[in-house]
This record gives sequence, C-alpha cells and structure tokens, in this order.
Amino acid sequence: DTEVTQTPKHLVMGMTNKKSLKCEQHMGHRAMYWYKQKAKKPPELMFVYSYEKLSINESVPSRFSPECPNSSLLNLHLHALQPEDSALYLCASSQEGTRQANTDTQYFGPGTRLTVL
Amino acid sequence: GEDVEQSLFLSVREGDSSVINCTYTDSSSTYLYWYKQEPGAGLQLLTYIFSNMDMKQDQRLTVLLNKKDKHLSLRIADTQTGDSAIYFCAEIGRMLTFGGGTRLMVKP
Repeated sequence: DTEVTQTPKHLVMGMTNKKSLKCEQHMGHRAMYWYKQKAKKPPELMFVYSYEKLSINESVPSRFSPECPNSSLLNLHLHALQPEDSALYLCASSQEGTRQANTDTQYFGPGTRLTVL
Repeated sequence: GEDVEQSLFLSVREGDSSVINCTYTDSSSTYLYWYKQEPGAGLQLLTYIFSNMDMKQDQRLTVLLNKKDKHLSLRIADTQTGDSAIYFCAEIGRMLTFGGGTRLMVKP
C-alpha cells in the first residue's frame, strides 16, 4: 500500500480565517513533506519533517505553520493567508527523509485545492 | 546546483509511442524519477531508475538513462487517451528537484 491521504479535497477561505490541512500515511514512513503547486508549475518544497522533527523549512512565511503530531500525521495550519497563496497543496511521505535523502522515494497524496478569497 | 529541464508539450496519436525527454545536472543523483499528474490530481509515481542502470522496462514504460550526457527519457508504448497528463522527471539529491513538466496530449 503506497497511499497518502489528504483532507479536505477542496478548501475556500477568507484572508481572516484559520484553517488546517491534514495528511496521513500508514506505510511506516518516517519523513513527511508539504509542497505547494501553482498551475502549470512543478511542486515547490515547503517543509520536511524527519522522525517527527522539522528538518527543512524553505523560507516559508509564518502564516503557514506545520505540525507533525506523530509519524503518521502531518498538518498545515493556515492563518491570514493572501490570495496569491491559492494553490494545490501536496503532502508526500518517504521512508527515511533527510537521513537518506538521496535514495529516498517520495509518494504523494492527491492534494488539497486551496482558494483564498 | 541542481537544474532539471523538460520540453513543455508533446502531442501523439493514440496507439503511437510517446517519448518524453529530460536533462538533469546533478551527477550525484542516485535515483531519477518519473511522476504523472492528471488534471486536478496529485503526483503518481510511475517509475524510477537507479543511476547505475542504463534502462528499465515496466510493461508499456521504458526508461533510458544516459549518465554521460545526463539525459533521461520515458517511452510509453501504445499510448492511450488515459495517458494524457503532465509528466514530471525529478532527481533526488538533498531534496527532490522537479523538471517543469511535459504536457502529453493523446489524440484519438
């Protein structure tokens, strides 16, 4: 089973709202990732958690706040977003993360389509 | 640094073969990947090749790797309308680096 699940599938929020995106995997992977993908562009890495610790933050604005409650779950808390933050947010997981980065295959979820009004 | 390039668009007729090309720059990459993305969906891992291999075949998919020229290709045999999607090649180093994606359009 190589399934990564994400909820919700779609989310519309105002600039003053607080919302959260959720991601779950049951493959026993120890690394989880958040990516942002704009239309007709490749995914851009936002955060990496490895063994439940934040290991990479690609200079993401503080209005995005990741959380890894356990090795199977990854959340992305959203607050005071801007319309330009509208995008597809993808979660991924891999076996080892940054400890074995250059041999580590990532499996992606279906994404959450976020629209900020 | 890492930089992965792909052509933007490919159009083929149903039943023909499709070849999607990719060039990369990081010679330390151990794995190279092909992901498929259908409209409104996430990325599906199609196949990958280890950097010490020249070729990998998986049903209708053939991956060729020319490590000297840092060139990777994905051949889809007997292309079907369901193969219409964006295909991303990617290399893994410190992180996964994607090419810009190739939009494959399959005409009936």
